[in-house]
Amino acid sequence: GESVGLHLPTLSVQEGDNSIINCAYSNSASDYFIWYKQESGKGPQFIIDIRSNMDKRQGQRVTVLLNKTVKHLSLQIAATQPGDSAVYFCAEREKDNNNDMRFGAGTRLTVKP
Amino acid sequence: GAGVSQSPSNKVTEKGKDVELRCDPISGHTALYWYRQSLGQGLEFLIYFQGNSAPDKSGLPSDRFSAERTGGSVSTLTIQRTQQEDSAVYLCASTYRSGRAGDTQYFGPGTRLTVL
Repeated sequence: GESVGLHLPTLSVQEGDNSIINCAYSNSASDYFIWYKQESGKGPQFIIDIRSNMDKRQGQRVTVLLNKTVKHLSLQIAATQPGDSAVYFCAEREKDNNNDMRFGAGTRLTVKP
Repeated sequence: GAGVSQSPSNKVTEKGKDVELRCDPISGHTALYWYRQSLGQGLEFLIYFQGNSAPDKSGLPSDRFSAERTGGSVSTLTIQRTQQEDSAVYLCASTYRSGRAGDTQYFGPGTRLTVL
């Protein structure tokens, strides 16, 4: 069946370095992708999203890259800070179907001082 | 309110007891979702409410699970005769509209349920 998953369950980086978190999806009909950040004891927090008609989108210190050919999504965090330590997970859905949002299990990012 | 709120934040119960979890969505948001998050797993969709329409219950894992949304705002998720496998974090999310890409789901902090 269709699935959303992450390549790495954990990622440890030095403060100030750039972080890259990856996500693979298998649903070719996926149209909309979101990255969430979830800190311990809190609900998921929206970071950035991208539509399938784009291959790159930038926010503040974050960039999402979408490669539809290989069904791969990545989140890049520039100059990683201790406050970035959290679980990051991707989500995808088909067009206009919020009911069918599928979430990856997440990658735990740890930032070392 | 400023965001989605959920209560209680933590709930410990004994196997076989019923529990009620509450969600207050963002004021004005018409769509409300319940998810379950087990350790090391992705969010599992449970149920979805949109306005006055019949809810989408397709994600409820068994008939022990039910939810209602009164007055198009507050929602209660009820788990009857709880089992240990029900232990998880239950998350609620709301959106301003439904089914439109770009309407971000805003999540509450979740309720951590532990069934002993």
